Formats: sequence, C-alpha cells, structure tokens
Amino acid sequence: NAGVTQTPKFRVLKTGQSMTLLCAQDMNHEYMYWYRQDPGMGLRLIHYSVGEGTTAKGEVPDGYNVSRLKKQNFLLGLESAAPSQTSVYFCASSYYRPGQIIATNEKLFFGSGTQLSVL
Amino acid sequence: SQQGEEDPQALSIQEGENATMNCSYKTSINNLQWYRQNSGRGLVHLILIRSNEREKHSGRLRVTLDTSKKSSSLLITASRAADTASYFCATTNIFTGGGNKLTFGTGTQLKVEL
Repeated sequence: NAGVTQTPKFRVLKTGQSMTLLCAQDMNHEYMYWYRQDPGMGLRLIHYSVGEGTTAKGEVPDGYNVSRLKKQNFLLGLESAAPSQTSVYFCASSYYRPGQIIATNEKLFFGSGTQLSVL
Repeated sequence: SQQGEEDPQALSIQEGENATMNCSYKTSINNLQWYRQNSGRGLVHLILIRSNEREKHSGRLRVTLDTSKKSSSLLITASRAADTASYFCATTNIFTGGGNKLTFGTGTQLKVEL
C-alpha cells in the first residue's frame, strides 16, 4: 500500500516550458488535491477534484490545468512555466464521508512533494 | 487569503517541556485539523476536531476548539526532539461551498532541543 505517490520529485524548467506532475493514490479516495507551498505562505490550493472526470478551481488556479481521467490519478499541468511557479507542489487525497447532507472531507493523505524550479 | 493563522510563528523549547500552538480562523467551520510537516516531507495528519466538539486527545496531543472565539490550540505534552517540525491548522468551511477542501494556515515551526 503506497498511499499517495508523486512524480517527479525534482524538476528544473526554463521559462515557457511545459510539464505535467503526476499524482497517484491507491486508497480508492474520491477527493484529490494539488497544493503549492511557498515560504511564509503555508499551503495554497491550486485545483481539486471530487471524483473521476471532475475538477474545480482552488485559491490559486491561474497558470495551471488539471485532469482526473481515472479515479486514482490526478495530473497537474503547467503549459508555459513562469518563475513565479517555482515552489514545492503537494498532492493529497481524502475519503468522502458518506451519509451526510453536505459532504465533508476527512483527513488528507499527502504525497512527499515535488520541488519545481523555473529559471 | 489564509483561513487559519497560527501563533507563534516559531517556538523553541527543551525536551520534556510542553508545547502549545494556537490557531485562529475567520469564518464558521465544520471541522478543524492539525497536521505536522517534517523538513522536506509531506504533511501528516495528527487530529481532527469537529465544530460540535470542544476537546480531543490523541496520545500526547490535546486539541481544543472554541468556536465562539474562532480559535483552536494544539498542546504537545512531554515534547521530544522528534517532535521538531512545522505544525499547521486547516479548516473546512461548508458555508462557503468549501465542504470538500481544506484551507491551511501558515504554520508554527517547533524546535525541541535536547
């Protein structure tokens, strides 16, 4: 049981290049998330998904796109990387709490992070 | 903007002492969670407290929640060097459509010295 796996762990890009970060979870979680972490800023939500085939914008979505074609995978894409996107990226997943009128998520399981530098 | 703000930003204590971190938030919540992050690693969930709960314990951790003051505290008793990490609070707010996403604070850096 690997939990949440992120690839790659490190990447250096030049301004304008594109790349895709892959997140995979083997816990059959409905919810998946992409966060970025910058010094002094805590974690900020980029995009999230509440199920296969669905995505939604978070707090800082500009410059990123996501896809959830399979329940276990959540991809984060940078079409044209900018230095402002230098950050540590974390993927997370969580269980959906059934039986509630308004769904709430439970605890998040995080991947180990991707250190991205854009020069 | 961050929903949760931790206080203090940094805390240094001796092994065996208790460590207390506080979190304040701005809007109504339905649950509040605490996470730990060791340097260079992902976050690990510590404890979740719901809005109708006032106190919760897990091992050496004690969490309180005061919804009237919109604040929570995390107490780590008998701290160990291995507790050295950053600690984050995170909230879920269903009233702004956020029932399925967490908003994190900026964290408290705890250092436990031998």
